[in-house]
Amino acid sequence: DAKTTQPNSMESNEEEPVHLPCNHSTISGTDYIHWYRQLPSQGPEYVIHGLTSNVNNRMASLAIAEDRKSSTLILHRATLRDAAVYYCILRWRDDKIIFGKGTRLHILP
Amino acid sequence: DAGVIQSPRHEVTEMGQEVTLRCKPISGHNSLFWYRQTMMRGLELLIYFNNNVPIDDSGMPEDRFSAKMPNASFSTLKIQPSEPRDSAVYFCASSSRDRGYGYTFGSGTRLTVV
Repeated sequence: DAKTTQPNSMESNEEEPVHLPCNHSTISGTDYIHWYRQLPSQGPEYVIHGLTSNVNNRMASLAIAEDRKSSTLILHRATLRDAAVYYCILRWRDDKIIFGKGTRLHILP
Repeated sequence: DAGVIQSPRHEVTEMGQEVTLRCKPISGHNSLFWYRQTMMRGLELLIYFNNNVPIDDSGMPEDRFSAKMPNASFSTLKIQPSEPRDSAVYFCASSSRDRGYGYTFGSGTRLTVV
């Protein structure tokens, strides 16, 4: 399985943008890049996904490097409610999702 | 849309007892997944179903664990007999091709085996 590498933890100030990096140097041409997050005491929730082009939705933006070996999840204006573990996952089409350790994001008031 | 519904939310049982966890997926979703989460091992995929048929159960820890999906609106995960090391949060998730394959997770069942 293609793997992803994320920092264990990050901190950001409230109301500032947050850039969460993910390295996936062994990504294959058919792997989609998915992001999920898990708020405290809740199940994971889908955030965004993309293949080659940058993607935006109401929750976040996904910036994908031209060589697809890395990507960045962007929260444009972090709030305290964005404190969570963020998972970057490579997924082939509708194959099963395997979670790694993710990045624990701390938001400072 | 009530989301994925799991029951019970919390379960405390004695070692050796049978435990049954329940899941109702989102109506129209054709895939269902069972995950387990512990501090040590993180989120682990146990088994998943497509159109009520088990596709991959390679994550099921051992024969004490079994899962069924008798119809499109209901699934169970059973542990018999339960052991203290089974203590974890068990999540059910469902997905549909029409939603770009994103998963919707339930709130989980926190199982404690004493």
